[in-house]
Amino acid sequence: DAGVTQSPTHLIKTRGQQVTLRCSPKSGHDTVSWYQQALGQGPQFIFQYYEEEERQRGNFPDRFSGHQFPNYSSELNVNALLLGDSALYLCASSLRAYSNQPQHFGDGTRLSIL
Amino acid sequence: AQSVTQLGSHVSVSEGALVLLRCNYSSSVPPYLFWYVQYPNQGLQLLLKYTSAATLVKGINGFEAEFKKSETSFHLTKPSAHMSDAAEYFCAVSDRASGGSNYKLTFGKGTLLTVNP
Repeated sequence: DAGVTQSPTHLIKTRGQQVTLRCSPKSGHDTVSWYQQALGQGPQFIFQYYEEEERQRGNFPDRFSGHQFPNYSSELNVNALLLGDSALYLCASSLRAYSNQPQHFGDGTRLSIL
Repeated sequence: AQSVTQLGSHVSVSEGALVLLRCNYSSSVPPYLFWYVQYPNQGLQLLLKYTSAATLVKGINGFEAEFKKSETSFHLTKPSAHMSDAAEYFCAVSDRASGGSNYKLTFGKGTLLTVNP
């Protein structure tokens, strides 16, 4: 039973560029959430996708956008990259119908901005 | 708005000693509460969760936590530390009114646990 998988594992970009991160949820899960974890901090919620729509959003600018595909996989896009976007980006999946079940996390994508 | 405070960014214990990691939360409605562990260069692994059943929750690897509503606390304990417990630990809360644990998690800043031989 595959867990949450994220790609790539590491990425280096320069300021102003755009990046796309990918996530495949755990088998049987239909909801995907994205978190940003800066160095030495706890993860911060970016947004959540269910039924291919953004359902909840945290306090992140519009430069951060996402998409969910019919197979429940998801992408996180960040435009006009800033140095402060350097972080570990975590994807988490869950099953919408079971509100008391925890989210399962992937190992993350480490994004470095030069 | 929800918030989580983890007291102590770094806790150091000797192997075999009691582990106590503190977490206090703020929520206007009964919360769901979680402890996650993060090993270097890895994602988050769930240790245990509180979802309104028993207030004393047992998790993996010998960890447990007690939900105390009057103190708005959810401290994590383990009777005897092992070298393999060295990692970063995060307490998190989700808003039951918004639908529960499927919804956004608010995390504390984490506590780094060091275990000395």
